[in-house]
Amino acid sequence: EPEVTQTPSHQVTQMGQEVILRCVPISNHLYFYWYRQILGQKVEFLVSFYNNEISEKSEIFDDQFSVERPDGSNFTLKIRSTKLEDSAMYFCASSPQGVGNIQYFGAGTRLSVL
Amino acid sequence: AQSVTQLDSQVPVFEEAPVELRCNYSSSVSVYLFWYVQYPNQGLQLLLKYLSGSTLVESINGFEAEFNKSQTSFHLRKPSVHISDTAEYFCAVSALRGSQGNLIFGKGTKLSVKP
Repeated sequence: EPEVTQTPSHQVTQMGQEVILRCVPISNHLYFYWYRQILGQKVEFLVSFYNNEISEKSEIFDDQFSVERPDGSNFTLKIRSTKLEDSAMYFCASSPQGVGNIQYFGAGTRLSVL
Repeated sequence: AQSVTQLDSQVPVFEEAPVELRCNYSSSVSVYLFWYVQYPNQGLQLLLKYLSGSTLVESINGFEAEFNKSQTSFHLRKPSVHISDTAEYFCAVSALRGSQGNLIFGKGTKLSVKP
């Protein structure tokens, strides 16, 4: 069964460093999403991506964050200058269509900012 | 804007007992409703969803949820749980219009099934 793959499973970085979290969505899907979950808190929507551009983003997704689909298969989330509060589990998801469709989630990348 | 409340952060039950995981939502627009499950060290998996039609929806592994518009609830139930149902369960909503389907989640409920 096709699945969403995220790498790495755990990323440790120093505050102020740039990190790139990688995701390989399911191949025929058109909509892509990033969510995050700070320990003990809700899973929060960050950004959605469709047709090679951001279609929606939350207020969390500020100028420190960017997303890219560099080669038609990978979908990346970049954090330019990490802060302690960026420590969280980051989930990538993809969907064949948008509203009302099932989103398929990866297992997540745990980001630890020291 | 939408919000989802899952009042119970942890629910311990014995095997073969019934369980109800509560979910209430708030929204100024019509929404789709979802339950996702997360087993240890895995991603979120869709358990069931309500889009339209019958307000009672069922999953293949015996869970069901009922959409109650007047109470803005979408509680998850199972008449007899198994050890393998131990997981974290997330209720989520998605606006019918004005979004690309992004999900708004509750905080999750950890279901712990004991022998």
